[in-house]
Amino acid sequence: NAGVMQNPRHLVRRRGQEARLRCSPMKGHSHVYWYRQLPEEGLKFMVYLQKENIIDESGMPKERFSAEFPKEGPSILRIQQVVRGDSAAYFCASSPNNGGQETQYFGPGTRLLVL
Amino acid sequence: GESVGLHLPTLSVQEGDNSIINCAYSNSASDYFIWYKQESGKGPQFIIDIRSNMDKRQGQRVTVLLNKTVKHLSLQIAATQPGDSAVYFCAENDDAGNKLTFGGGTRVLVKP
Repeated sequence: NAGVMQNPRHLVRRRGQEARLRCSPMKGHSHVYWYRQLPEEGLKFMVYLQKENIIDESGMPKERFSAEFPKEGPSILRIQQVVRGDSAAYFCASSPNNGGQETQYFGPGTRLLVL
Repeated sequence: GESVGLHLPTLSVQEGDNSIINCAYSNSASDYFIWYKQESGKGPQFIIDIRSNMDKRQGQRVTVLLNKTVKHLSLQIAATQPGDSAVYFCAENDDAGNKLTFGGGTRVLVKP
């Protein structure tokens, strides 16, 4: 039973380029969460999605960042016109049912480096 | 805003000893708490969770204690092993259940 999968594991972009991060939740999980982690810090919530719906995007920057979880395929976190401050580890988590009171299981993360 | 914080940033422990990691939370409405272990270059790994209607829960070599009166959470690791070396995060689930709020993390270093 595969866990949460993320790709790519490492991504290097130059300033101004676009970054696309993918997340496939655990089998049977319909809720996806994205978090960002800076070195030596805890994870910060960005967005919570269900299939075809954004439920909570209170942690998403207002510009350049977007997320989707289509009916078919993985969830995508998209960062347009990346800047050096976007360099971080981005983690996806999934849970099986109602987001409340359900354990979130994390993927291995995508480490984004902006040059 | 509400936050979850830890008292000790780094904990050094002798192999075989017990480890205790502490965490304070500030959102009295939180009712679900999780401990995660994160090894270098990896994602957070679920260790154990506890709901607010409990004050203690045990797993394999780990015990979580919850004191709602003082809003304090702790993780006890029995007979700490080299493989336990990692950063440990406590996290609380908000009352809407949509997101986890993480503490800053405690690094545990196990000395042979």
